[in-house]
Parts: sequence; C-alpha cells; structure tokens
Amino acid sequence: DAGVTQSPTHLIKTRGQQVTLRCSPKSGHDTVSWYQQALGQGPQFIFQYYEEEERQRGNFPDRFSGHQFPNYSSELNVNALLLGDSALYLCASSFGTQNGEQFFGPGTRLTVL
Amino acid sequence: GQQLNQSPQSMFIQEGEDVSMNCTSSSIFNTWLWYKQEPGEGPVLLIALYKAGELTSNGRLTAQFGITRKDSFLNISASIPSDVGIYFCAGPGAGSYQLTFGKGTKLSVIP
Repeated sequence: DAGVTQSPTHLIKTRGQQVTLRCSPKSGHDTVSWYQQALGQGPQFIFQYYEEEERQRGNFPDRFSGHQFPNYSSELNVNALLLGDSALYLCASSFGTQNGEQFFGPGTRLTVL
Repeated sequence: GQQLNQSPQSMFIQEGEDVSMNCTSSSIFNTWLWYKQEPGEGPVLLIALYKAGELTSNGRLTAQFGITRKDSFLNISASIPSDVGIYFCAGPGAGSYQLTFGKGTKLSVIP
C-alpha cells in the first residue's frame, strides 16, 4: 500500500522563476492538502483540493496555485519566486468526508537563490 | 487565527525516562492529532483523538484529549534513542479542513 509520494525531493530555483511540485495521495484517499514548513516552524496550510476544486485556502498570495487531477494527484505551482519561499513543501492526503487525519508525504525542499 | 501553544519547546532526557508534553489552544478543537517529524522527513501521524476526555495509546505513547477541548497531552514512557525528533500537535478548527500546527517540541534522548 503506497503512502503519499512527492516529487522532486529537492529543487533549487532563482528569484522570479516559477516552480511546480507534484503529489500522489495515499491509496484510497481523494483529498490533497499542501503545507509550507519554514525551518524551525510547524507546517502552514496553503490550500486543499477535493473533487478537483480548491475547497479551502490559507493565508497565501495568489502566486500560489494548484490543481487536482481526476486520479486525485495534485500539483502546487508557485510563480514569481521570492527568497522567502524557500521551505519544505508538504503534501498531505485524506479521505474527503473526514475532518481530521491527514497523512503526509516526505516533502519537497525548495531553495530560492 | 487559531494558535496552538506547545510546551516545552525542547527537552533533553536520559534514555529510559518518561516524557510529557502538552498543547493548548485559545479555541475549542474537536480533533487532536499528534505527529512526529524526523530530519528530512514529513510528519508521521502517531495518535488521533476525537472525544473530550479520550485517552488513547499507541505502544509506549499515550495521548489525552482535554475535557475543556482546549488542550491535549502526549506522554512517552521509557524513552529510547529512536524517539528523537520533533513532536507536533495539530487539529482542524471548527468547520475547517485545514490543520493548525503547534511549533513543536524537540526531543533529544541521551543514551
């Protein structure tokens, strides 16, 4: 039973560039949430996708956008990268009707130079 | 917005000792989750709590959902070196799908 997978594991970009991160949810899950984790902090919620729609959004600018595909996998896109976007980006999957348990992938470490 | 306050921020303990950490909120939570994160990894779910007063165990770990719904506790008995990591409490606010996380308790175990 595959858990949550994310790609790539590491990424280095320069300011102003755009990046796309990918996530495949745990088998049987249909909901994907994205979190940003800065060094020494807890994860911060970016948004959640369910039934290919953004269901809820955290306090992040429009530079952060996403997509969910019919197979439930998801992408996170960040435009016009800033130095402050350097962080660990975590994807979490869950089952749509549950309000609670989310299972995390290993994350993508993004460094913006 | 909602905030979760975890304490202590960090702890150094001897192998074999018991550990206790807690999490408090300014608002009511209907679910409390405890995660452990090791360097370079994503958080791993340890225990989920759904009822006020609930006490749940997972091996040497025991967590409790506070009666006020505004706090939760995690205890680790007889700590071992592989318990090292950062422990986070988290929960969805009322009517919300997002998880709010505390800042974590960093646990170091001295062999």
